[in-house]
Amino acid sequence: DAKTTQPPSMDCAEGRAANLPCNHSTISGNEYVYWYRQIHSQGPQYIIHGLKNNETNEMASLIITEDRKSSTLILPHATLRDTAVYYCIVRANTGFQKLVFGTGTRLLVSP
Amino acid sequence: EAGVAQSPRYKIIEKRQSVAFWCNPISGHATLYWYQQILGQGPKLLIQFQNNGVVDDSQLPKDRFSAERLKGVDSTLKIQPAKLEDSAVYLCASSQQGSTDTQYFGPGTRLTVL
Repeated sequence: DAKTTQPPSMDCAEGRAANLPCNHSTISGNEYVYWYRQIHSQGPQYIIHGLKNNETNEMASLIITEDRKSSTLILPHATLRDTAVYYCIVRANTGFQKLVFGTGTRLLVSP
Repeated sequence: EAGVAQSPRYKIIEKRQSVAFWCNPISGHATLYWYQQILGQGPKLLIQFQNNGVVDDSQLPKDRFSAERLKGVDSTLKIQPAKLEDSAVYLCASSQQGSTDTQYFGPGTRLTVL
């Protein structure tokens, strides 16, 4: 079972920041937070991951709370092409650990 | 860099028939995964290969599903016989070494069982 809780859907206006929350209250000390997204009719795409520090790359920023029980994925300037299902996953980076996908958040970016 | 290739993209069969899917991972990637994604759900790992050895097949329904990666490169997933509940998208992914590396997914094969 997925160890994360996400809202089923969110809306965002094009050009605005999209802030996608994720709760992972049972996260262990050695587990990372991963974000993937899945655009319609495509396979999932890696976005970003982090352990406890905030992370930023060319796609998004990841903000993890100090107690690590929740995180937020930020798309700073959402475009129509960001419409997708976003999955938050927690996973240890040791051994052969699976990616366990939940049902994710369906983000709709509108003009 | 070429991505993960899968074929066919779509397949329609009748229940009790057999079907096979093919995956070619990114060149040099040692780890290959097959996922099943039922409509409205997230992908579920069926089997993971490290080179040509199976690392995890705990979620694979072994009475009807089989997978192989004989030369440690491309892979096939077979269902025999298919059931109605096997209707899903079958996704292949690969990563450079172990499962801690970023996984890159193919476009998937959409299977419809009638």
